[in-house]
Amino acid sequence: EPEVTQTPSHQVTQMGQEVILRCVPISNHLYFYWYRQILGQKVEFLVSFYNNEISEKSEIFDDQFSVERPDGSNFTLKIRSTKLEDSAMYFCASKGGESSYNSPLHFGNGTRLTVT
Amino acid sequence: GENVEQHPSTLSVQEGDSAVIKCTYSDSASNYFPWYKQELGKGPQLIIDIRSNVGEKKDQRIAVTLNKTAKHFSLHITETQPEDSAVYFCAARSRAAGNKLTFGGGTRVLVKP
Repeated sequence: EPEVTQTPSHQVTQMGQEVILRCVPISNHLYFYWYRQILGQKVEFLVSFYNNEISEKSEIFDDQFSVERPDGSNFTLKIRSTKLEDSAMYFCASKGGESSYNSPLHFGNGTRLTVT
Repeated sequence: GENVEQHPSTLSVQEGDSAVIKCTYSDSASNYFPWYKQELGKGPQLIIDIRSNVGEKKDQRIAVTLNKTAKHFSLHITETQPEDSAVYFCAARSRAAGNKLTFGGGTRVLVKP
């Protein structure tokens, strides 16, 4: 079964540094998402991306965050200047084609980001 | 916006018994309710979902019920097995609130052999 793959599985960075989290969504999917989960808390929506643009973003997704689909397969989340509170598990997700508003969301295994 | 509450936060059951997890949602425009299972070190995996035009859905040992009037939905796992031990999340999606899922806080289920 096709999977969403994320790299790296664990990223350690110093406060103020830029990080890029990488995702390869399922190949025929058109909707892409980033969610995060701070340890012990809910899974929170960050941003959705469709047709090469952001379709929705949460209040968490401020100017320090950006997303990009640099080619036909990758979907990245960049944090420009990391803060301690950015430490969390970041999940990439994707779902299907044009008529797939209610199709299931498939998640990757996440990248654990630790900011020191 | 949508708010999803989930109970209990932890649930310990004996192997073979049933487990029930309950969620409530706030947005009456929500029309899609998936349940995810998250094992250690992995991302959430969809196990079952239900849409607002049905009241119940079953897939082998797993069933989900939806009460739109009361705005709550529940996950039922029967004949639990040790491999059912994981964290379970409910979620809701509302057309009025865009295309995102709003998650509950999760339930850590432990099935004791």
